[in-house]
Amino acid sequence: RKEVEQDPGPFNVPEGATVAFNCTYSNSASQSFFWYRQDCRKEPKLLMSVYSSGNEDGRFTAQLNRASQYISLLIRDSKLSDSATYLCVVNRGNQFYFGTGTSLTVIP
Amino acid sequence: GAVVSQHPSWVICKSGTSVKIECRSLDFQATTMFWYRQFPKQSLMLMATSNEGSKATYEQGVEKDKFLINHASLTLSTLTVTSAHPEDSSFYICSARDRVGVDEQFFGPGTRLTVL
Repeated sequence: RKEVEQDPGPFNVPEGATVAFNCTYSNSASQSFFWYRQDCRKEPKLLMSVYSSGNEDGRFTAQLNRASQYISLLIRDSKLSDSATYLCVVNRGNQFYFGTGTSLTVIP
Repeated sequence: GAVVSQHPSWVICKSGTSVKIECRSLDFQATTMFWYRQFPKQSLMLMATSNEGSKATYEQGVEKDKFLINHASLTLSTLTVTSAHPEDSSFYICSARDRVGVDEQFFGPGTRLTVL
């Protein structure tokens, strides 16, 4: 079983829509969780860390459910500039495990 | 935030030559650096984990004699692709973890390698 699983999409949504991504992880000993954003032909950039209490940054909300071993990312009021691939990353010790990424395209 | 640089940003070389890619943490010390490879429309694939002053740990299927990694200081790791072939053409990205214990990793801008 893969360490991290993500729906690759693609998700095509109109501007202003709300879109949610989920990611599951297989090892309950995983310690830290992140969402990264990667634009085409660029390096991943940290979008936000994910905590059990949930965290919000503007239009972005991330949530961690340890019992069910999944993390989620909610994007409200989608902008054209949100079009990218969103990577779910799980950390355990000195290892980082990447999901395959979920492709999002926001359509005018 | 922490900054990681990579050099060169892109390189084109002939088959059979060796290419060295540098990864530097500019404003922090990184005991651990990671090297990834990404093929078009695919996710990042971890190649190796590099710890300062010790041998790198390679992922299964990655040839350590072909992809030489040296992490000589707390701010520099190098990846050398030896005897490169066209199938080695890819986007190589490094990342570094702050020794202070911050969980997240910071990525370099990547190096696009094309082997003719």
